[in-house]
Amino acid sequence: DIQMTQSPSSLSASVGDRVTITCRASQSISSYLNWYQQKPGKAPKLLIYAASSLQSGVPSRFSGSGSGTDFTLTISSLQPEDFATYYCQQSYSTPSPITFGQGTRLEIK
Amino acid sequence: EVQLVESGGGLVQPGGSLRLSCAASGFTFSSYAMHWVRQAPGKGLEYVSAISSNGGSTYYANSVKGRFTISRDNSKNTLYLQMGSLRAEDMAVYYCARDLSGCSGGSCYNWFDPWGQGTLVTVSS
Repeated sequence: DIQMTQSPSSLSASVGDRVTITCRASQSISSYLNWYQQKPGKAPKLLIYAASSLQSGVPSRFSGSGSGTDFTLTISSLQPEDFATYYCQQSYSTPSPITFGQGTRLEIK
Repeated sequence: EVQLVESGGGLVQPGGSLRLSCAASGFTFSSYAMHWVRQAPGKGLEYVSAISSNGGSTYYANSVKGRFTISRDNSKNTLYLQMGSLRAEDMAVYYCARDLSGCSGGSCYNWFDPWGQGTLVTVSS
């Protein structure tokens, strides 16, 4: 199975900060990488698909980049509603099996 | 509005069975593959199972293979997950999700959108 490792596992930041979350795959996955946001008690929400494509309705302060094994999710200027847990997901081996990173919890400093 | 609504969760004893349902609306259900993903309390997301649009192909994570069965009824716009021989480690919120795909530059990508609100399965005696 392809292993996905996110860093950091948790992060404290302030409103207005620029934040970067990293996701590394255990083998090359081209651009088969998606990012989701999950708030407590809620379902995950798609932010970025195919490594860098912004899902419709998602604010432009979110961006994704990377290819191969290393990927980043960047939030250019943190807003109060962005404090949540973020997951990367690889779909290179779909469906057998699709795997998620362990999550990055973004907290208010 | 595209919507997925799970139901069927609850308390079940170890070794017991439960069937989850996911009712779809706002899109042509029969045109999309579907997935189940679970999240144990305080933990991350774990991929569970997938089914093709016509139900002809299925996939299971090793952790549930032989115990869970995914199915769908396209006439009822509903996805199912039949869970058997339940264990404590199966306790989680179970989400259904629609598979979306798009092609660019000769590659075709998949992602999940939307997700249902989840249904909680508790395994305890």
